[in-house]
Amino acid sequence: KAGVTQTPRYLIKTRGQQVTLSCSPISGHRSVSWYQQTPGQGLQFLFEYFSETQRNKGNFPGRFSGRQFSNSRSEMNVSTLELGDSALYLCASSSAYQETQYFGPGTRLLVL
Amino acid sequence: ILNVEQSPQSLHVQEGDSTNFTCSFPSSNFYALHWYRWETAKSPEALFVMTLNGDEKKKGRISATLNTKEGYSYLYIKGSQPEDSATYLCALANAGGTSYGKLTFGQGTILTVHP
Repeated sequence: KAGVTQTPRYLIKTRGQQVTLSCSPISGHRSVSWYQQTPGQGLQFLFEYFSETQRNKGNFPGRFSGRQFSNSRSEMNVSTLELGDSALYLCASSSAYQETQYFGPGTRLLVL
Repeated sequence: ILNVEQSPQSLHVQEGDSTNFTCSFPSSNFYALHWYRWETAKSPEALFVMTLNGDEKKKGRISATLNTKEGYSYLYIKGSQPEDSATYLCALANAGGTSYGKLTFGQGTILTVHP
């Protein structure tokens, strides 16, 4: 089976812009979780989608949003980018509740 | 606030040494404890998912134990090799509907194995 893929791998944006990141889960996986990794904070949970519904959300401002499509692919959007949004964004997919999450390679976002 | 703590933060060992790390977590509302290995420029790789108190899992030279009553897990690497150099992360999954898809990660232990 193909693994979790994320596009793009690298992005450079300026403050105030918005960005959309994409995640394709392992075939058959319906749950997609998103995480932010920054040097000081480690991996922080953003949100989780299952069957096109957001089931859980972490402690991030409303500028961070996401969605999931009927084929389980997921996107996350960050509006009005701030310098502090520079981070590695990882998505992970799993087949069932609290089962192993399989991670993609991440999208590295740099906000200038 | 859920605190998952890992120690040590970093570790340097010689090839052939055996080593171990600790992951501590709040034991209330426990569902599962995950271990990942994360090499630079790669995706985090799942090592183990542990759910039962007293669980022991093994994968090659790597093994892990779980104590849910006291809230800790140990990861052991026997005969470390340079290719074991990576960041080892533990992550807690809690029970309940508010925990869907959410893993709470520790800060990781950075292992460097010198030839």
